[in-house]
Amino acid sequence: DQQVKQNSPSLSVQEGRISILNCDYTNSMFDYFLWYKKYPAEGPTFLISISSIKDKNEDGRFTVFLNKSAKHLSLHIVPSQPGDSAVYFCAASEGGSNYKLTFGKGTLLTVNP
Amino acid sequence: GAGVSQSPSNKVTEKGKDVELRCDPISGHTALYWYRQSLGQGLEFLIYFQGNSAPDKSGLPSDRFSAERTGGSVSTLTIQRTQQEDSAVYLCASSLVRGLGNEQFFGPGTRLTVL
Repeated sequence: DQQVKQNSPSLSVQEGRISILNCDYTNSMFDYFLWYKKYPAEGPTFLISISSIKDKNEDGRFTVFLNKSAKHLSLHIVPSQPGDSAVYFCAASEGGSNYKLTFGKGTLLTVNP
Repeated sequence: GAGVSQSPSNKVTEKGKDVELRCDPISGHTALYWYRQSLGQGLEFLIYFQGNSAPDKSGLPSDRFSAERTGGSVSTLTIQRTQQEDSAVYLCASSLVRGLGNEQFFGPGTRLTVL
């Protein structure tokens, strides 16, 4: 039973446009959500996080939106750059802590010049 | 070093053999985690160490898997009598402490192939 779902295996956007990556979760006990970025042959790198007490968190070109009623979060990248091309993982944890992360399968983002 | 390091980067073994995977966390990080990523899957939590506390082993898939952390630093993940379904990338991560705002930093992983 997959508790964190990224239903789009891949996404392709043009440089300068907005990239929107989506994530759905089923466990209502999740209260902390993270996005990680992964390049080939490297480990995932933390990108941005959001607590369930918020509905938006912004860091430069990256914004995460959380819709608790829909159990849905999204990552917006504006403007997209070719260097953003990577696999993006959505992750969640419960109990107000940041360990024992549950990850989605990832979405491969390709930003075309 | 500056980041989490893991060795070996690649390991090919025969079914039934034991393997040891090593993780060197970031200096000063008290929390250490092991995950694995099977082909086409997300990362799966295996085990968590925090300081001198008993580890959380709830993610280990079978009793063939074990891990230890010596001196609060280096960790070794051991898989006994490897099976083909153990083939995956094994990732180690560390964080300053457990808790919000203390994000996990990942190593590059060890790709294990069981023939």
